[in-house]
Amino acid sequence: GENVEQHPSTLSVQEGDSAVIKCTYSDSASNYFPWYKQELGKRPQLIIDIRSNVGEKKDQRIAVTLNKTAKHFSLHITETQPEDSAVYFCAARPSQGGKLIFGQGTELSVKP
Amino acid sequence: DVKVTQSSRYLVKRTGEKVFLECVQDMDHENMFWYRQDPGLGLRLIYFSYDVKMKEKGDIPEGYSVSREKKERFSLILESASTNQTSMYLCASSRSPDTQYFGPGTRLTVL
Repeated sequence: GENVEQHPSTLSVQEGDSAVIKCTYSDSASNYFPWYKQELGKRPQLIIDIRSNVGEKKDQRIAVTLNKTAKHFSLHITETQPEDSAVYFCAARPSQGGKLIFGQGTELSVKP
Repeated sequence: DVKVTQSSRYLVKRTGEKVFLECVQDMDHENMFWYRQDPGLGLRLIYFSYDVKMKEKGDIPEGYSVSREKKERFSLILESASTNQTSMYLCASSRSPDTQYFGPGTRLTVL
């Protein structure tokens, strides 16, 4: 079955710097890759997603890139702010059905 | 606005007790999911359901069962709680094959 590996597990950056989180997946048939943000004590919420027919997607300060050949996808956050501090999860959806396989999570800390 | 609610935010139970965790969504979503969240392990899928009375095992179903008698409600059952089931439990729902919306979570402690 699908397996998703996420790195790094923790990431600390200075306010204004960029942050990059990377995920690799094993099932080449996976076709949907969402990213969730979970602030302390709150529920995970979708921040951006990408489908397998697209290589890059941007939404203001966040972007996601997908390399299907290498089977990896990345989250890029530019001009980080303290409110970006949270745990970020990547996920992949195998071709059949609606279930998601999540990565282990990255705890991002943005220092003022 | 999608709303997914869970019956309890915090729960403390004793080893061997039967535990029910309830999840309700108000968006008529077909799919519902139960995850457990542990530090360093991410979100691991326990069970999911694509329709009423249907259920599928996820990656870690051992020690759990589920019930979906109505479309809006998905229950997770721990038949005999054990200390290694102490965790954060998250419910989610989706309109296939779209975004999953999560509930606030139930932090379960088994003593």
